[in-house]
Amino acid sequence: AQRVTQPEKLLSVFKGAPVELKCNYSYSGSPELFWYVQYSRQRLQLLLRHISRESIKGFTADLNKGETSFHLKKPFAQEEDSAMYYCALSSYNTDKLIFGTGTRLQVFP
Amino acid sequence: ETGVTQSPTHLIKTRGQQVTLRCSSQSGHNTVSWYQQALGQGPQFIFQYYREEENGRGNFPPRFSGLQFPNYSSELNVNALELDDSALYLCASSLAQDSEAFFGQGTRLTVV
Repeated sequence: AQRVTQPEKLLSVFKGAPVELKCNYSYSGSPELFWYVQYSRQRLQLLLRHISRESIKGFTADLNKGETSFHLKKPFAQEEDSAMYYCALSSYNTDKLIFGTGTRLQVFP
Repeated sequence: ETGVTQSPTHLIKTRGQQVTLRCSSQSGHNTVSWYQQALGQGPQFIFQYYREEENGRGNFPPRFSGLQFPNYSSELNVNALELDDSALYLCASSLAQDSEAFFGQGTRLTVV
């Protein structure tokens, strides 16, 4: 079955601390992996996708096919990073997304 | 360029009633997907429309149906509403398959 697991509902860190939001997936085939973010009172928006291999707002995510993981990392968290983060996958060449349950990141000053 | 807009933003319906939610896709986008997001959960894929044809469906019963119009706007219809249909319904549009999906603000449906 296709599934995305985000084990942490809430992750709290202090400003300047490293952040890692965990995401594991199960999928038979070659999925495309994404991280979406929802800031307070804003709509869900794409943060990054694994095929682009970009760093967005200091965040990076590496696809580890052996561990079926796509953890989101940032070396130094900022208060403005506080938001809800969703990991998602889609099968190749489609945009039908399967989301995890999300992790709320709180960055304290 | 306008973003994805959904209407209404909130509504309350009674169990057994029918509801229609609307979505205007971002300018130039021909693909619309609908998602249901229950409280504390991630969005769940309902179905997708591409150039007015259904192009994939998630694990939702037939009382969830949709339409896409020639201008690529879309409707989600839910018949025989149940209490568990209470959720945030999200619409996302994209230029084509395998391109970035842009989400609307959602419609909050409460079934009482």
